[in-house]
Amino acid sequence: LAKTTQPISMDSYEGQEVNITCSHNNIATNDYITWYQQFPSQGPRFIIQGYKTKVTNEVASLFIPADRKSSTLSLPRVSLSDTAVYYCLVAPVYNQGGKLIFGQGTELSVKP
Amino acid sequence: EAGVTQFPSHSVIEKGQTVTLRCDPISGHDNLYWYRRVMGKEIKFLLHFVKESKQDESGMPNNRFLAERTGGTYSTLKVQPAELEDSGVYFCASSQVMGASSTDTQYFGPGTRLTVL
Repeated sequence: LAKTTQPISMDSYEGQEVNITCSHNNIATNDYITWYQQFPSQGPRFIIQGYKTKVTNEVASLFIPADRKSSTLSLPRVSLSDTAVYYCLVAPVYNQGGKLIFGQGTELSVKP
Repeated sequence: EAGVTQFPSHSVIEKGQTVTLRCDPISGHDNLYWYRRVMGKEIKFLLHFVKESKQDESGMPNNRFLAERTGGTYSTLKVQPAELEDSGVYFCASSQVMGASSTDTQYFGPGTRLTVL
């Protein structure tokens, strides 16, 4: 399974846009890129998922270049409540195995 | 729609005792996963059920851990006897069975914090 690398921590201020980049050089053809968010004392929560190009939902955007060896999670205008750990995962389609491989994640701290 | 629930939220036991963790997945979800995070480490996969069958138990650390999912609904994870290194947070997740061309979004419970003294 592809390994991911992302910054251990990031700091931001309220109202700023935050971009978290994840490297996954060994991504396979059938792998999707998925981001989870985890608040203290809670389980991880699915944010967004994509295969290539750009995906946007009500929470975030996900940018994936053509070679798919990296991806960038973009959080527009963060607030204090976006302080959390963000995990980048590379997961194969279901029929090739369902387990998720978590890295250490990026601890985002949003300050007033 | 109710999310994944786990019980208890916290458990403190002594080394050598037995503890049973319970997970209730989202109704209708055939896939159920157990993960855990021990202190300072990453979240690690333990095992995966599809309905009542164990699909993948490659992450189970040793035979002190026993997971069951009788009837394909809720699941239990028993640790017997518990050791100090078993302390951590145990997460359960569930997902629907998807088609071959789809991915498997997992919904996590809040976790059970286990402390072994």
